[in-house]
Amino acid sequence: AQSVTQPDIHITVSEGASLELRCNYSYGATPYLFWYVQSPGQGLQLLLKYFSGDTLVQGIKGFEAEFKRSQSSFNLRKPSVHWSDAAEYFCAVGAQQGGKLIFGQGTELSVKP
Amino acid sequence: NAGVTQTPKFRVLKTGQSMTLLCAQDMNHEYMYWYRQDPGMGLRLIHYSVGEGTTAKGEVPDGYNVSRLKKQNFLLGLESAAPSQTSVYFCASSLSLSDGRHGYTFGSGTRLTVV
Repeated sequence: AQSVTQPDIHITVSEGASLELRCNYSYGATPYLFWYVQSPGQGLQLLLKYFSGDTLVQGIKGFEAEFKRSQSSFNLRKPSVHWSDAAEYFCAVGAQQGGKLIFGQGTELSVKP
Repeated sequence: NAGVTQTPKFRVLKTGQSMTLLCAQDMNHEYMYWYRQDPGMGLRLIHYSVGEGTTAKGEVPDGYNVSRLKKQNFLLGLESAAPSQTSVYFCASSLSLSDGRHGYTFGSGTRLTVV
């Protein structure tokens, strides 16, 4: 069965510092992979997605993520964090043969001035 | 371009009262979903629908009912609200179950408090 693990419940980084949010998935074949962001009081917005091709994908707001099949990971990165990036981030995995998206527990990001 | 619209945005219910949450999408998506979000629990799927007139149970269906009479609408009902149903409810829609090309589109949520 598919599953998604986001090992970090809460991360705090300083503004301007780099960011990496971890996501590990369990799935037998190549999955669809997504990162969503949820700002306080808002719904979830799609940041980026991977479904085939280049393993480094670019998203909105300066985010990128790299699919590493050997590590079953899809970590989200940003070279320089802005205060407005403070939010909750969700990783999700879907089966290419069908099946619903499975979401991780989320990582809350706080940004220090 | 409205996307997914949820009504109401906020609601306070007394234990035992009933209510219906409405989700409407204008993207002609076949698939629709209801999730609840609780602190430390992430998103949990309540019910979903793979097309007009069809519904299926998700991870946490107890205490909820749903209907999909029209393709664009997906209703979530609470027949007898309990404090354990205090949560933020999100509706989502997609072109397919996994929809690797577009992912899910989410509404802005309904914050429900049951006292």
